[in-house]
Amino acid sequence: NAGVMQNPRHLVRRRGQEARLRCSPMKGHSHVYWYRQLPEEGLKFMVYLQKENIIDESGMPKERFSAEFPKEGPSILRIQQVVRGDSAAYFCASSPGRTGEQYFGPGTRLTVT
Amino acid sequence: GENVEQHPSTLSVQEGDSAVIKCTYSDSASNYFPWYKQELGKRPQLIIDIRSNVGEKKDQRIAVTLNKTAKHFSLHITETQPEDSAVYFCAASKRDDKIIFGKGTRLHILP
Repeated sequence: NAGVMQNPRHLVRRRGQEARLRCSPMKGHSHVYWYRQLPEEGLKFMVYLQKENIIDESGMPKERFSAEFPKEGPSILRIQQVVRGDSAAYFCASSPGRTGEQYFGPGTRLTVT
Repeated sequence: GENVEQHPSTLSVQEGDSAVIKCTYSDSASNYFPWYKQELGKRPQLIIDIRSNVGEKKDQRIAVTLNKTAKHFSLHITETQPEDSAVYFCAASKRDDKIIFGKGTRLHILP
């Protein structure tokens, strides 16, 4: 049973470009969470999705950030017009249910130049 | 919303000694309390969790205690080893809600 997969593992974007981060949950998991981690800091919740539904996006910046989890395929976190402050590690996690333990992917390290 | 405070931010203990990390939470409806370990450059890994219907849980050298009245929970690591060096995060969530993490404790095991 493969764990949570994320790609790419490293992503470099110039200011103003778009970044697309992908997350495939563990087999049998239908709940996906995205977190952002700045260097030397904790994990900040961004968004919680189930298939085709956004359940909680209270941690998402109001502009430039969006997330989806389509019926088929991975969950995608999209950042438009990236700025230097978007540089961080972005982790996704999946769980089998709403109150189940969350298992993290390896993360995508985004660097904006 | 829920707020999780974690102390200390850095902890150094001699190899073989015990380490204790403490967290408090604000929402009395929270009922699930996981602990994650994150090594440098790696993903957070779930090491132990506790639900609000129990006061203590143990797994080999790791134990977690929960005081619902005081809204405190703690991680205890006994007989520490070099491979225990990492950042540890506590977290809390309530039914049908997201997990909120503390800011982390950087644990150094001294030889």
